[in-house]
Order: sequence, then C-alpha cells, then structure tokens
Amino acid sequence: NAGVTQTPKFRVLKTGQSMTLLCAQDMNHEYMYWYRQDPGMGLRLIHYSVGEGTTAKGEVPDGYNVSRLKKQNFLLGLESAAPSQTSVYFCASSFSPNTEAFFGQGTRLTVV
Amino acid sequence: DAKTTQPTSMDCAEGRAANLPCNHSTISGNEYVYWYRQIHSQGPQYIIHGLKNNETNEMASLIITEDRKSSTLILPHATLRDTAVYYCIVRVAEYGNKLVFGAGTILRVKS
Repeated sequence: NAGVTQTPKFRVLKTGQSMTLLCAQDMNHEYMYWYRQDPGMGLRLIHYSVGEGTTAKGEVPDGYNVSRLKKQNFLLGLESAAPSQTSVYFCASSFSPNTEAFFGQGTRLTVV
Repeated sequence: DAKTTQPTSMDCAEGRAANLPCNHSTISGNEYVYWYRQIHSQGPQYIIHGLKNNETNEMASLIITEDRKSSTLILPHATLRDTAVYYCIVRVAEYGNKLVFGAGTILRVKS
C-alpha cells in the first residue's frame, strides 16, 4: 500500500518551460488536493478535486491547471513556468471531507 | 486565514509527555480540529483529529475543551524522532474542506 505518491521528487525548469506533476493514490479516495509550501507562507491550496472528472480552484490557482481523468490520479500542470513558482508542492487525498487527509512526500521545483 | 494560534516553539525532555496547546476560538460547530506534523521537508503526517470529544490513537491524545475554543495534543512519551513542526488545523467547510495550515509549533525533543 503506497498511499500517496508524487512524481517527480525534484525538478529544475527554465522560465517558460512546461511540466506536469503527477499525484497517484491507491486508497480509493474521492478528494484530492494540491498545495504549495513556501518559506514563511505555510501550505496554500492551489486546486482541488472532489471526485473523478471534477476540479476546482483553490486559493492560489493562477499559473496552474489540473486534471482528474482517473480517480486515483490528480495532475498539476504548469504551462509556462515562472520563478515565482519555485516551491515545494504537496499532494493530499482523503476519502471524505472530514476524514484524515494523507500527503505525498512532495515535489521540490526550482524555476530558473 | 489560519483559524488557530499556537506557540512558536516548545522544548520537551525525551521520555516525558509533550503537551502542545492550540487556540481556535472562532471555530464553527461543524469544523473539525486536526493535528499534523512535518519532519524536515517531508510531507505533513496525520496525527489525530476530533470534533467535540477527546480522542486517542496509537500516536497521541487530543483533548478538546468543552467550549471547543482550544485543544491540546499530547504525545505521551516523546522521543527524539518526534522533533518536528506540529500544526493544529481547522478543516473549514470551503474549497473541498481544505486544511488551513498556520505557522505551527516547532517541538524540540532533547535527550
């Protein structure tokens, strides 16, 4: 039982490049979330999904897109990376709104 | 928009109980209190959560006051591996019931 797995773990991008971060969970969870963590800012919600085929904006969605074509996967896309998107990205999932959420180990992204 | 207040840091002797307080005076009646911890830059690790009643699991105990305005996380026998940032979180009924992370408490367990 792997839980929540994020791919890749590290990545360096040049400004303007695009990439996709993959989050996979094997717990049959309905709810999935993408957060970013920056020094002194805590974790901030980027996008979330309440079920397969659904996505919604969180607090800081600009510059990101997401897709949830399969229940177990939640993809976060950066179409044109900017230095301000340098951060650690965490994916989380939970079975329902008030059950515990499990986090992945993070993706450390640097945009130069 | 964190709805919780925690001390910035705390120290605890190895083998002793660590009691981490949290104030959440504006919590709504249907909002749960969650505790997570983060070791170095790893993903936040779930510890425990509750609504009204005290809760206990294999990791910790959660004591919630009757008015629900504050709570305490208790690690009964702290070890060096419990050194981490501990987050007291209110799960708000928006954005898919997101977890609202504040600054957390840095717990240092010392031998």
